[in-house]
Amino acid sequence: QVQLVQSGAEVKKPGSSVKVSCKSSGGSFSTYAVTWVRQAPGQGLEWMGKIIPLFSTPHYAQRFQGRVTINADESTSTVYLELRNLRSDDTAVYYCAREIADGGSYNYFDFWGQGTLVTVSS
Amino acid sequence: DIQMTQSPSSLSASVGDRVTITCRASQSISSFFNWYQQKPGRAPKVLIFAASSLQSGVPSRFSASASGTDFTLTISSLQPEDFATYYCQQTYRTPWTFGQGTRVEVK
Repeated sequence: QVQLVQSGAEVKKPGSSVKVSCKSSGGSFSTYAVTWVRQAPGQGLEWMGKIIPLFSTPHYAQRFQGRVTINADESTSTVYLELRNLRSDDTAVYYCAREIADGGSYNYFDFWGQGTLVTVSS
Repeated sequence: DIQMTQSPSSLSASVGDRVTITCRASQSISSFFNWYQQKPGRAPKVLIFAASSLQSGVPSRFSASASGTDFTLTISSLQPEDFATYYCQQTYRTPWTFGQGTRVEVK
């Protein structure tokens, strides 16, 4: 059974950075994409970006370009999300998820981390 | 970006009711469409992928269909554990986008 375990809650000041980790176990790490989705309090889901560890090439949502970095460490089966220049509206629960795809018919997120609350406050 | 519009935003229902949630994509997305269920304080869970395929382990009371850019999730007989928020998602073109959610509440 695939498990994604995320790092703990963070409290950050505006303008600072946060790095959230997502450690995978129980499945093939390198060949599936790991995607990041965030959810502001009481709000919906927002996709931020993804990476396939085998290729190490991330793909970001345009609105986060320049502020986000997603990378992977195959030696520890861990994917990281770094978000810089934090603002109060970055306060959210950040989820990692495994993205499964068949190359032509579907992409979806089948396993999720437990979520990491990032609070941005002065 | 592809916009996903869900309706209703919330609904009240009783155990045993048949519940239908719809989602409309702003453009054609083929079958790159998924439904998720989320309970408070928990990560979302996939119910349906590729528009109408039931994820392994999901009860058969959940079903889905598609017609053009309109997608429907149906719960044939609502159970107590089904009170949750449901999200649709397109994975046709990045950025992947979600609907705003439909909260299913106890009547």
